[in-house]
Amino acid sequence: SQQGEEDPQALSIQEGENATMNCSYKTSINNLQWYRQNSGRGLVHLILIRSNEREKHSGRLRVTLDTSKKSSSLLITASRAADTASYFCATDGKSGGSNYKLTFGKGTLLTVNP
Amino acid sequence: GAGVSQSPSNKVTEKGKDVELRCDPISGHTALYWYRQSLGQGLEFLIYFQGNSAPDKSGLPSDRFSAERTGGSVSTLTIQRTQQEDSAVYLCASSGYRLWARRETQYFGPGTRLLVL
Repeated sequence: SQQGEEDPQALSIQEGENATMNCSYKTSINNLQWYRQNSGRGLVHLILIRSNEREKHSGRLRVTLDTSKKSSSLLITASRAADTASYFCATDGKSGGSNYKLTFGKGTLLTVNP
Repeated sequence: GAGVSQSPSNKVTEKGKDVELRCDPISGHTALYWYRQSLGQGLEFLIYFQGNSAPDKSGLPSDRFSAERTGGSVSTLTIQRTQQEDSAVYLCASSGYRLWARRETQYFGPGTRLLVL
C-alpha cells in the first residue's frame, strides 16, 4: 500500500527563516494534500495539488509535486512562531476506486523559535 | 458554515467498557471518514461513509469496532470492550457536497482523545 513519508521528522528554525519539508510516496495518486496539526488535535487543510500539477502557491506556502520521483515538498516562507505545528502529507489512491482513503505520513514537527 | 464537530473532546474509560464517539460533519457533505491517530502508528484510516452506507470498512482494527451514520449526517463510532491499545485520538472528516463530486479535500474535526485505563 502507498505511504507518505515526510522528512525531516523534526525541524527547528528561527522566525523569519524558510522551512522546507519533503514527502515521498509509493504508488500512483490523484492528489497530494498537506495538513497542519497543532497540539495533536484536528488537522487543518493547507493545500491540495493534483497529479497533473507541478507547483502551487497559497499565501506563504509553496508546494511542488514530482510524480516521476513520487515526491512533494512544502515550503513555508518567512516563518512565524504560529507556524509551529506538525505537518503531514496525505495521498489518495488512484487505483481500485479508493480515491477517498487518505494515507498519511508520520509528519514533520516544525518548531519556529521567536 | 460550521466545521466538523466531535464529541466528547476527551474520554477516559476503564478497560472492558463500551464507548461511543460522535461526529457531526459539515452540513451537506456526503462523505464522512473516521481515522485514528496513535503514538507509533500515525494516522490510520478506519472507515468511509458515502451517505449512510459504508463501502469501505477495511480499516476497522477488529470486530469490537463499528460505526453507523444516520440521515446522511451524524456518525457514531462505537468501540466495545475497550482495550488499552484503543487509546488514541479519533478523528472524523467530511468532504463533498454532491454525490458526483470528486472527494478531494477532507475537512477534519478536532478529534476525541480516548484513554483506556
